[in-house]
Amino acid sequence: QKEVEQDPGPLSVPEGAIVSLNCTYSNSAFQYFMWYRQYSRKGPELLMYTYSSGNKEDGRFTAQVDKSSKYISLFIRDSQPSDSATYLCAMSRGNQGGKLIFGQGTELSVKP
Amino acid sequence: DTAVSQTPKYLVTQMGNDKSIKCEQNLGHDTMYWYKQDSKKFLKIMFSYNNKELIINETVPNRFSPKSPDKAHLNLHINSLELGDSAVYFCASSHGLAGRFYEQYFGPGTRLTVT
Repeated sequence: QKEVEQDPGPLSVPEGAIVSLNCTYSNSAFQYFMWYRQYSRKGPELLMYTYSSGNKEDGRFTAQVDKSSKYISLFIRDSQPSDSATYLCAMSRGNQGGKLIFGQGTELSVKP
Repeated sequence: DTAVSQTPKYLVTQMGNDKSIKCEQNLGHDTMYWYKQDSKKFLKIMFSYNNKELIINETVPNRFSPKSPDKAHLNLHINSLELGDSAVYFCASSHGLAGRFYEQYFGPGTRLTVT
């Protein structure tokens, strides 16, 4: 069993839809929770970061962490075709030399 | 302008050959990483260096040898290439281990194909 599980999709939604992306994890020592976005043939880029539990909002993006359920989510409101990418969740215990454990990534396509 | 750059972008080679990938960052970061992304987009850390010192070595075969000549550069040399080494290799960098380590800046990747 992988430490971080993420549904690889693909996920296809119409423009303007609300998108929900999720990851589950097994290691309760994780304290840092990130979402990276990766466009085709590019390197990942950090989208959102949350420390411990709670919600964080940045424009159309909201990240949620539920440590009791070992479950994290990324919500995208009013999705745009430019949001089409692979979204990777990543986690860390915070004291391991910068080590991030990534989920497999969910491929999202937003159709105009 | 480029924050993290890698060369080459594409590498096609035969089994048994030795190859190197170079990485440079101009962000002033002191920590650099090598990641491997397989065909299913699964991204896994291989190595991390902090101030030229090896911090993470994730049970990678010893055919893979990283080298950090200075804080801005991290190279990866691979000996005796195997079919299973085919993947996209990403270099990344971040601020120090106790800082914003989670904000890692990735290069464009090197797509390695072993035939």
